[in-house]
Amino acid sequence: NAGVTQTPKFQVLKTGQSMTLQCAQDMNHNSMYWYRQDPGMGLRLIYYSASEGTTDKGEVPNGYNVSRLNKREFSLRLESAAPSQTSVYFCASMLTGSGGYTFGSGTRLTVV
Amino acid sequence: KQEVTQIPAALSVPEGENLVLNCSFTDSAIYNLQWFRQDPGKGLTSLLLIQSSQREQTSGRLNASLDKSSGRSTLYIAASQPGDSATYLCAVKRNNNDMRFGAGTRLTVKP
Repeated sequence: NAGVTQTPKFQVLKTGQSMTLQCAQDMNHNSMYWYRQDPGMGLRLIYYSASEGTTDKGEVPNGYNVSRLNKREFSLRLESAAPSQTSVYFCASMLTGSGGYTFGSGTRLTVV
Repeated sequence: KQEVTQIPAALSVPEGENLVLNCSFTDSAIYNLQWFRQDPGKGLTSLLLIQSSQREQTSGRLNASLDKSSGRSTLYIAASQPGDSATYLCAVKRNNNDMRFGAGTRLTVKP
């Protein structure tokens, strides 16, 4: 089925470890986004990529880096994980002009 | 800064009841507003997208309205069913890359 695929679905890290969350979409969408969702709060934008080759900071970028590898893939990297980064991470994509977002199923990350 | 608020945070209703979920936002200069459904441990599923020039959108038993001047949107669910139990999120987009989410309303429909 067409959509947004995120890997892994679950991950436990120790403080200081690094990891990369992967996201791929097969809908030929131009824009891609990384959000985090914390209990009792709405989703908050970490980074986004308006088009292949460009990335920009969102509301909460500290502690993260991103790479827009090609039009399909947008990865999120935690260089030195901290307990405050325990969250559920969602990737989304949007076809420029439509305004509607399509979300992946999320990655549940725990940093101990 | 755009603030998005959803009230109530949780709602429990008996099956068959019609219900309204509320979303308010502080900046009326929006591009569009989108309602999502989120099941426990799952991603977000888009329900309805209302462009800034529109007043409402309908899909089956769902109807979403938008009043930009008052900074409000409502999601109306007719004849609720237990399968409608989920968290409903409202998101407001100002420009092409600034979408702000409410914290959601957790709906429980009792059989």
